[in-house]
Amino acid sequence: GAGVSQSPSNKVTEKGKDVELRCDPISGHTALYWYRQSLGQGLEFLIYFQGNSAPDKSGLPSDRFSAERTGGSVSTLTIQRTQQEDSAVYLCASSLVSLGPDTQYFGPGTRLTVL
Amino acid sequence: GQQLNQSPQSMFIQEGEDVSMNCTSSSIFNTWLWYKQDPGEGPVLLIALYKAGELTSNGRLTAQFGITRKDSFLNISASIPSDVGIYFCAGLKIGGSQGNLIFGKGTKLSVKP
Repeated sequence: GAGVSQSPSNKVTEKGKDVELRCDPISGHTALYWYRQSLGQGLEFLIYFQGNSAPDKSGLPSDRFSAERTGGSVSTLTIQRTQQEDSAVYLCASSLVSLGPDTQYFGPGTRLTVL
Repeated sequence: GQQLNQSPQSMFIQEGEDVSMNCTSSSIFNTWLWYKQDPGEGPVLLIALYKAGELTSNGRLTAQFGITRKDSFLNISASIPSDVGIYFCAGLKIGGSQGNLIFGKGTKLSVKP
């Protein structure tokens, strides 16, 4: 079946502009995660959605970052007033949460470049 | 944010060699995971470990969950060219959020010229 998809695959924007990154999880997966991967670094947790529960936003680096998950499926990560340090690959993952975090399947990521 | 200490940062392999990498932390984890990431792709899970002392194999890969719960290693035996990529350890802290995996910075495997 189809895996996690993300769009766009690449996004170049000017400093100060807002961007929206989209994630389509695997059908039936109740949990969805966003991570940020800077060059040469590991993955940094941003936010976690699980079913209808309130999301775990503990990893969001500033109030310029927000995310929504509509209808328990598609998620959008929004970065307002982008800064150059926001440049990174943003990865989305989904899982059947009942089986734990080891079932996370990752999308290919969106590479964001802020000029 | 907090990260695991993963080493080595990079290594060169010759086909047929065994490879070893590890992760350590000052915190206790109740789950350890090992991922591989190819260029332009998301990480793919290789091995998951749930119990202290657990030793798990997946083909030529072997990983162990340290007794202290603060470390894990991954071994690759008889490496082949397609093993090149970046390997990440990840852990779930006791008491941490279900979704809040903590990742190491990765070990980049390359082929010796």
